[in-house]
Amino acid sequence: QSVLTQPPSVSGAPGQRVTISCTGSSSNFGAGHDVHWYQHLPGTAPKLLIYGNNNRPSGVPDRFSGSKSGTSASLAITGLQAEDEADYYCQSYDSSLSGSVFGGGTKLTVL
Amino acid sequence: ELQLVESGGGLVQPGGSLRLSCAASVFTVSSNYMSWVRQAPGKGLEWVSLIYSGGTTSYADSVKGRFTISRDDSKNTLYLQMNSLRAEDTAVYYCARVLPALRGDYFDYWGQGTLVTVSS
Repeated sequence: QSVLTQPPSVSGAPGQRVTISCTGSSSNFGAGHDVHWYQHLPGTAPKLLIYGNNNRPSGVPDRFSGSKSGTSASLAITGLQAEDEADYYCQSYDSSLSGSVFGGGTKLTVL
Repeated sequence: ELQLVESGGGLVQPGGSLRLSCAASVFTVSSNYMSWVRQAPGKGLEWVSLIYSGGTTSYADSVKGRFTISRDDSKNTLYLQMNSLRAEDTAVYYCARVLPALRGDYFDYWGQGTLVTVSS
């Protein structure tokens, strides 16, 4: 059971908008810690997608955006493309565990 | 381009030991925070350990007392010594560079991973 909760899967057609939720608690998001998002294709290195709730590293398309409010966060992907099909993970710091925590991951399927 | 290359994975019996290596290029391991993160088969990512630039270390409860993170500055390499291995330690192990942030650190570069299988 992951400390951060994500839906196991989401799907959308090309061009559509999808969102992936990430629910935390008072010891991570609620304690003021930021959420970060990663894209992971099996067999490859995970890639930083969003850091500090809503910041994109250089090279990440503006189709990807993030937000955080209270003990919840979400990743939005607009203009869905086939290449977006991957696993997505949220991550934060947990004060009770004194370490980084991840969500269980969400598999995005582009229909 | 910044690169992290893990090695040292393999098949080991329960109770055995293994040492993973992560060779870095372009940046200096000792000047950065570095971590190990693992992914068990069919599961999500799990943070394992962190070493600060000053040398202080931190571990997830699941590996505390069994795993040791370290680095060799002359080789610009990060290590993870894993002892008393259990079946539940079976996973792909990734090394990652950590960027410190006021409201929570994050991982900006990752290696491709090395598979550790604990089985008799």
